[in-house]
Formats: sequence, structure tokens, C-alpha cells
Amino acid sequence: DAMVIQNPRYQVTQFGKPVTLSCSQTLNHNVMYWYQQKSSQAPKLLFHYYDKDFNNEADTPDNFQSRRPNTSFCFLDIRSPGLGDAAMYLCATSGRGSNEKLFFGSGTQLSVL
Amino acid sequence: SQKIEQNSEALNIQEGKTATLTCNYTNYSPAYLQWYRQDPGRGPVFLLLIRENEKEKRKERLKVTFDTTLKQSLFHITASQPADSATYLCALDMGWGGATNKLIFGTGTLLAVQP
Repeated sequence: DAMVIQNPRYQVTQFGKPVTLSCSQTLNHNVMYWYQQKSSQAPKLLFHYYDKDFNNEADTPDNFQSRRPNTSFCFLDIRSPGLGDAAMYLCATSGRGSNEKLFFGSGTQLSVL
Repeated sequence: SQKIEQNSEALNIQEGKTATLTCNYTNYSPAYLQWYRQDPGRGPVFLLLIRENEKEKRKERLKVTFDTTLKQSLFHITASQPADSATYLCALDMGWGGATNKLIFGTGTLLAVQP
């Protein structure tokens, strides 16, 4: 089945130690998104790619970076994780257009010790 | 300021009853509104989309209304079942046009259906 896959499901890192979360998709969608969701809060958009065009949200900290080497893969890099970065990170994809639904992966739960 | 508000309290209902969840927003003018279901520890799953010029949309036991005057959407699940227990998120799609849509999510309402 076509889907969005996130690895790993659970990631533990140390304060200040760089970490990379990965996302792959078999839907061949043009658009890929990264959302951050903290406990009992709304998913918050960090950035998105339309093909290789990167779009950063104005309030996304510089500590968060992303790479999309090809259509299928997208990575979220957190350069120096702080305790406040512990959250569920959700990758999503959508087709081209302004009324497309999003397809989410199962998320990566990041813990920072 | 811009806000999306969903019932912060959990909604507890009896199996077989109709669940009604509310999404209110201020200082937004969404072109579309979407509803998602999220189970614990999982990503959201799309349920329904309704456009600003549509009053109501149905899909099986689900019904969504969209009132742009009241700035409110209601999400109904009829003949609710314990398997419907989850968090339901509304998301505003500003319809910025072009090639992408950016959804702004509410915090969700936790629905618990008791057998």
C-alpha cells in the first residue's frame, strides 16, 4: 500500500546532540511537510517542500533544518536539541493543489535527556 | 489574534448516540476546512473536507457543517461506537492557492464512546 513511513518510531537523544528524523513516501506526492506536536497540543507546521522548493515557517527556530534529496525522502535535522524540543514529529505529504488532504506518517516521538 | 478553538474537555457519550464536536475560529477566513482523526501515538488520518461555499458534507456516519458567518464547523458522528473513540482535529485551509496548502490545526477534542 502507498504510504508515508517515518523512522524511527521512538528516538532518544541527549541535550545538545544532533539528531535526524527521516520520512519516506510511496505516494509520489509533490509536497512534504514536517509538523511538531507536543502533548495535548495542535500539530504545528515547521516547514514544507514543494518539490525541491523549501518553505520555512516564520516562527520555526533556526535549530530545525530539513533536507529533501529526492521526491521520496525528507529529513528533519535538529542541530542542538533542547528539552523543549521533546515532541512527536509528524511527516505528511499531499498532492499538488490548495485543497488537498494530507497523508501523515505515524510520527517519531523524540525524547531529549 | 488568530485562534482555533475546539472543546478542550473530553466528550463522553454512550454508544449509539450522536457525538457533536465543535470547531470555532477567529480572525481567519478559511477557504476550506478539514477534519482528521488521531489515535494515541499515531499520525492524524483525514476524514472530511468542506468548502466555504458548502453548508454540509456527509460520509457514511459522519457529517460536517461549515458556517462562515458564525465562524464555526460542527462534526457529527451518528450511531457512535466505541471504535470511534479518538481525538478529532479540525484544520483550516487558508487556500493560499498555488501548489501547496498549509493547514492550521486546532488542539482537538478527545471523544470517548462508552459501551
